This record gives sequence, structure tokens and C-alpha cells, in this order.
Amino acid sequence: AQTVTQSQPEMSVQEAETVTLSCTYDTSENNYYLFWYKQPPSRQMILVIRQEAYKQQNATENRFSVNFQKAAKSFSLKISDSQLGDTAMYFCAFMKHDAGNNRKLIWGLGTSLAVNP
Amino acid sequence: DTEVTQTPKHLVMGMTNKKSLKCEQHMGHRAMYWYKQKAKKPPELMFVYSYEKLSINESVPSRFSPECPNSSLLNLHLHALQPEDSALYLCASSQDSGTRGTQYFGPGTRLLVL
Repeated sequence: AQTVTQSQPEMSVQEAETVTLSCTYDTSENNYYLFWYKQPPSRQMILVIRQEAYKQQNATENRFSVNFQKAAKSFSLKISDSQLGDTAMYFCAFMKHDAGNNRKLIWGLGTSLAVNP
Repeated sequence: DTEVTQTPKHLVMGMTNKKSLKCEQHMGHRAMYWYKQKAKKPPELMFVYSYEKLSINESVPSRFSPECPNSSLLNLHLHALQPEDSALYLCASSQDSGTRGTQYFGPGTRLLVL
């Protein structure tokens, strides 16, 4: 069975600085997808970034980038130039490639990030 | 366009009431999902409708029943709920499996059961 671990329940960062959120996972699959979702106080669940396991290149979306280490089963999220609007709960999630009807996202417990002015 | 809409935004109901939550997407996605989320916890999958087939999380009690009138709409019917059912209910949709299996979420319905 797959598991996702986020070892930092809470983090804080000063506005404009860089922060890295960690995520590790366990799977015997070779093809899969990894996601970071953000849930601000409004509680809307927002996709931040997605990584396909077969791609060696790390995904980036503007100020958000990942460090994907497949052998180490690590998938950290780096937020550059942190903004107050980045304050949110961040969830790391795993999905098998050939999910078929079993499109279950396996979620970490989340990291609560506070961006301080 | 990655918009999923949900109504109502907030709902307060008594334990004897019957109510429904609604979810709609116009992205041509073929899979839709209901999740339950308690505060400061990750979402828990309740139901998946994919290509008109329903998959159920067997731990979900029968007082929750999904309905999929068409490929764009997904309802969640609520009956005889308990106070512990108070939570945020999230709807999501995705195109397919693989990369297109990326799930996009609606804003949620905050449910309070008295």
C-alpha cells in the first residue's frame, strides 16, 4: 500500500523569503503522479503543481518548484519569494498511473504554512 | 478552465432533515468525486463516478447517497445525518486516468448537523 508522509506539521517564513516543504512517499509502483495542493483559510483546494514520475525534469509553476528524487521517494515543494497569500495548508498527494477506476489520491497529513509580514 | 461549482456554500440541518448538495463541472470531465474533510485533516474519498459507474468507499454510511443525473452533475443526498457528519464536503472532477486524472476541486459546502 502507498503512503505519503509530511514530517513538518507547521512552518513559517518571512515574506519574500524561500521555504521548502518536505514530502516522502512509499510505493512499489514505477509509474505514478505526485501533486501538491494548497488549501488557504477559504478551504478551497487548489492544485499547485504536478509531477509525473517518468519525467526526470522537476516541475515548476512560477514561484513554485519541486525537487523530485525518485530513488529516495522524496517530493519537496519550494516556494520562492513567499507572499502573504501563500499562507495555507499544503497537502502532498500520490496517485497511481494506471489508476483506472481506482483514482484514489493518497494524501499526506499536510503542512500548515504561515507567511509573516 | 478548471472550474467546479458547488451549492450551497453553507448548510445547517437537523438530524431528521433531508437535503442535497450539488456539484457541477463544464470541463467535459468523465470522473467526479465526493470527499469529506474535517478541519486540519486531508480529504477522505467517499464516492467516485467514472464513465457512469459508481465506486463507493465502503466505510461511508448509507445516510449519504450519490446521484449522477448526467456527466456534468453530481449530487449528494443527505438523510438522517449525525452531528459527526459536520464537515466540509468537497467535489472534484478529472478527465481520465494518467495525467488527465488530475483532480480539480470545487469550493466546498460547509455542513453543520445539529
